[in-house]
Amino acid sequence: DAKTTQPPSMDCAEGRAANLPCNHSTISGNEYVYWYRQIHSQGPQYIIHGLKNNETNEMASLIITEDRKSSTLILPHATLRDTAVYYCIGVRRGGGSNYKLTFGKGTLLTVNP
Amino acid sequence: GAVVSQHPSWVICKSGTSVKIECRSLDFQATTMFWYRQFPKQSLMLMATSNEGSKATYEQGVEKDKFLINHASLTLSTLTVTSAHPEDSSFYICSALGGSGQYFGPGTRLTVT
Repeated sequence: DAKTTQPPSMDCAEGRAANLPCNHSTISGNEYVYWYRQIHSQGPQYIIHGLKNNETNEMASLIITEDRKSSTLILPHATLRDTAVYYCIGVRRGGGSNYKLTFGKGTLLTVNP
Repeated sequence: GAVVSQHPSWVICKSGTSVKIECRSLDFQATTMFWYRQFPKQSLMLMATSNEGSKATYEQGVEKDKFLINHASLTLSTLTVTSAHPEDSSFYICSALGGSGQYFGPGTRLTVT
């Protein structure tokens, strides 16, 4: 599975967009990019995933570079409740992989009032 | 949709006793569930993959005789920590594999005294 690299921490002002980068230069062609977040003392929460195309849902947008070596998760209007550790994970789907997740250290996003 | 529950949410037990943690997928069936452990200020570590009707697959370094996993139905997996010791105190999180990936429970905080 692809090794991902994320900054250990970021700050964002409430109401502004939060842009969280992730490098996954060794990602293989059949690996999806998944984003989860974990608010303190809770289970991880699924945010969004993508393969090649940019994706958007009610929570966030995911921008994947054309060469797929990096991606950016965008929270368009960050709120205090978005303060969490954000994980970018390369996921192999199907073929007995069981969507196995390997969590790195993630990025601690702190949204400030 | 895709709600996963865990019970109990926290438990305190004495050293040497066993503790059972339940993981349920509430609105979908899951042939595959996962068990993770998270120590303070660390990331989630996969302990084992639980497959309905068959033996669990344990990650390297996880003692299968100490962490008993049973996945007897499509909506329930249990993790039993046998002969618990203080070093087993941790945050235990399960997930269930759904249509688009893993959906996580809220976690169980185990404290062994």
